[in-house]
Amino acid sequence: QSALTQPRSVSGSPGQSVTISCTGTSSDVDGYNYVSWYQQHPGKAPKLMIYDVNKRPSGVPDRFSGSKSGNTASLTISGLQAEDEADYYCCSYAGSYSYVFGTGTTVTVL
Amino acid sequence: EVQLVQSGAEVKKSGESLKISCKGSGYSFTSYWIGWVRQMPGKGLEWMGVIYPGDSDTRYSPSLQGQVTISADKSISTAYLHWSSLKASDTATYYCARALTGNSKTFDYWGQGTLVTVSS
Repeated sequence: QSALTQPRSVSGSPGQSVTISCTGTSSDVDGYNYVSWYQQHPGKAPKLMIYDVNKRPSGVPDRFSGSKSGNTASLTISGLQAEDEADYYCCSYAGSYSYVFGTGTTVTVL
Repeated sequence: EVQLVQSGAEVKKSGESLKISCKGSGYSFTSYWIGWVRQMPGKGLEWMGVIYPGDSDTRYSPSLQGQVTISADKSISTAYLHWSSLKASDTATYYCARALTGNSKTFDYWGQGTLVTVSS
């Protein structure tokens, strides 16, 4: 089980959109529609932002959206805000109650 | 309200044993899998394994199997992560999280994390 591949960093100005990619394999991302995205601020626990590719938990702003095509999932943050500056991790189900996380992406709001 | 409350920070020496805990409340503890996630200093999240407290069915990450033991005591709604002999490389923050495993598969609620520091 290798970590899913994410860009190390992305940045954008307030109000802009940024997209983070998450590339896996046929054993994880491409094999299941169970990709989640987590936001982590420094020193804090991860917070679920997107699950099952494109579902938002209650309370998560609709500025956050998810999608998937083949072995690559994506998280888009529209209307970027200062509080969106954080680390973001994708995570895919990989069968038999196993999971794999992405390498993580730091989002910087310029 | 669903809550996962983890035990406090630990400072140990190499070779010592350690068990950290994760207590669930606000939901049926025996009906959901609990996962453990490692985050080494300055690094990303790494899935370690999951346990179903209802029957203690446990699955481990292949890279971590044998390095750590996951257990649960359903009578007190608590899951555990246990090391029999710590190494300096076990220094990390460990998170527990509730796992949805039905029609949705994700970790929806997380504990606050337990920092484990192992000195050589």
